[in-house]
Amino acid sequence: NAGVTQTPKFRVLKTGQSMTLLCAQDMNHEYMYWYRQDPGMGLRLIHYSVGEGTTAKGEVPDGYNVSRLKKQNFLLGLESAAPSQTSVYFCASRPRVAGGTYEQYFGPGTRLTVT
Amino acid sequence: GQNIDQPTEMTATEGAIVQINCTYQTSGFNGLFWYQQHAGEAPTFLSYNVLDGLEEKGRFSSFLSRSKGYSYLLLKELQMKDSASYLCAVRDSRGSTLGRLYFGRGTQLTVWP
Repeated sequence: NAGVTQTPKFRVLKTGQSMTLLCAQDMNHEYMYWYRQDPGMGLRLIHYSVGEGTTAKGEVPDGYNVSRLKKQNFLLGLESAAPSQTSVYFCASRPRVAGGTYEQYFGPGTRLTVT
Repeated sequence: GQNIDQPTEMTATEGAIVQINCTYQTSGFNGLFWYQQHAGEAPTFLSYNVLDGLEEKGRFSSFLSRSKGYSYLLLKELQMKDSASYLCAVRDSRGSTLGRLYFGRGTQLTVWP
């Protein structure tokens, strides 16, 4: 049981390049989330999904797209990377009802630098 | 909107007790979380309060007052490994954003020997 995994762990992009971050969970969770974490800013929600085939915008969705074709995978895409997207990206998941706590389980993060 | 405020930094010595406060002003409230995050690692769940009062879990306790928009995390018998960032997060109750978490900026706790 690996929990939540993220690929890659580190990446350096040039401005204008594109890439996809992959999040996978093996806990059969319905809900999945993408956050970014910047110094002094806390975690901010980019996009989220409440089930396979559904996605929704969070607080800071501009410049990102997502897809949830399979329940266990949640992909975050950057079509044209910008230096402002330099950040640490965390994926999280939770079951529909988490025994009353609604705890989100986080992946290890992807550190992205855009030059 | 959501406004969550917590101190940026705190320091304490090993064996001591520290209280990390979190105040919030939200449009919809359905519970408050505390997460711990060590440098370079993922946040890990510590506690969840949805009703007023104190929840105790080993060395860690969390308190909530919904009428005051206030929570605190209490860490007892501090250990060096408790040096980390502590994140306060509020769960939204509104229909369109139900269940979403809004995070504070985190409190960096340093424990000295």
